[in-house]
Amino acid sequence: AQRVTQPEKLLSVFKGAPVELKCNYSYSGSPELFWYVQYSRQRLQLLLRHISRESIKGFTADLNKGETSFHLKKPFAQEEDSAMYYCAGGTSYGKLTFGQGTILTVHP
Amino acid sequence: EAQVTQNPRYLITVTGKKLTVTCSQNMNHEYMSWYRQDPGLGLRQIYYSMNVEVTDKGDVPEGYKVSRKEKRNFPLILESPSPNQTSLYFCASSLSAGEGYTFGSGTRLTVV
Repeated sequence: AQRVTQPEKLLSVFKGAPVELKCNYSYSGSPELFWYVQYSRQRLQLLLRHISRESIKGFTADLNKGETSFHLKKPFAQEEDSAMYYCAGGTSYGKLTFGQGTILTVHP
Repeated sequence: EAQVTQNPRYLITVTGKKLTVTCSQNMNHEYMSWYRQDPGLGLRQIYYSMNVEVTDKGDVPEGYKVSRKEKRNFPLILESPSPNQTSLYFCASSLSAGEGYTFGSGTRLTVV
């Protein structure tokens, strides 16, 4: 069965510190992998896709097939990064499975 | 403006009274999907659709129905709502599986 695991429910860092949100997946075949962010009282927004290898708002995510991980990283956290972050894995036909989410709090 | 629109935003209903939550997208997306979000459980996919007349079950389809008669619309139907369907529901659409979904603003449903 497809499975996405985010081991940390809560993560707190101070402004300017590096941050890493962990995500591990279990899929047969090669999944499409994503990070979504949900700011307080807002809709989910797509942050990153593994196929694009882009950097959005200073965040990057590297796919490690050997470790089946897709961790999200940012070298210097900002207070406005405080939000709920979801890792998700999808199939080519549209099925999408989310991890349980990590609440990131960046303290001033 | 490119968007996914859900209606209503808030709904309180009674057990057993059929209801429909509408979802519409104006981006000519092929894929559409419904999710529910519950505290401690995150987001779980209810149903998804690859195209008109093509739908499939997600992880939690029990108690829900969907239809995709037109590309832009993907309504979620609760034929006999129960209190355990009280949740925050999101509709989403995507051009392709690899593009990632664009989400609507959500519908907060309470079943009493």
